Amino acid sequence: GAVVSQHPSWVICKSGTSVKIECRSLDFQATTMFWYRQFPKQSLMLMATSNEGSKATYEQGVEKDKFLINHASLTLSTLTVTSAHPEDSSFYICSARPDGTDTQYFGPGTRLTVL
Amino acid sequence: QKEVEQNSGPLSVPEGAIASLNCTYSDRGSQSFFWYRQYSGKSPELIMFIYSNGDKEDGRFTAQLNKASQYVSLLIRDSQPSDSATYLCAVGDSGYALNFGKGTSLLVTP
Repeated sequence: GAVVSQHPSWVICKSGTSVKIECRSLDFQATTMFWYRQFPKQSLMLMATSNEGSKATYEQGVEKDKFLINHASLTLSTLTVTSAHPEDSSFYICSARPDGTDTQYFGPGTRLTVL
Repeated sequence: QKEVEQNSGPLSVPEGAIASLNCTYSDRGSQSFFWYRQYSGKSPELIMFIYSNGDKEDGRFTAQLNKASQYVSLLIRDSQPSDSATYLCAVGDSGYALNFGKGTSLLVTP
């Protein structure tokens, strides 16, 4: 149980384009999901908290207009990187928290490369 | 600021030995404590969680919690080379996101 999927697992795009990443909780409901970014050999950095049916809460320094988050159902959150640039290249990881717990289960991550 | 501190390592132990990973946290109101393992290039996976003072065992893993000292640890018995990874300590206050430490790199040598 407690499986979280992410799609795509990797993506290469041209500078200036937008990329959408999906995060799904497969066997539980998750009112709250989280989006992280991790650069090589660095620690996890929380970008935002995604809440079903409401606006996401962004961490300080994360541009909400660049990283659009939509949490339209209890099992799906999406992160759209708009007008991507090479410095946005990173490993993006989502996590989902089963309702009623504070345990986070992570998706497998999406490796984004912007050319 | 809610801090979670871990020694970055690397912690090197020989195969078959006990690996001891430590974590301290600053928020006395913390209620839940987690250990995640992250292999290079992969996302974190949950190993264990603990809520009460004392020890909690699961196979080769034992989590230890001491709320008075604001200290949580993970012991890995009979360490294997496949245990080589970065171990993340995470602390929650039952209200919001978890606070993660930066992780301890463990290397188990054959």
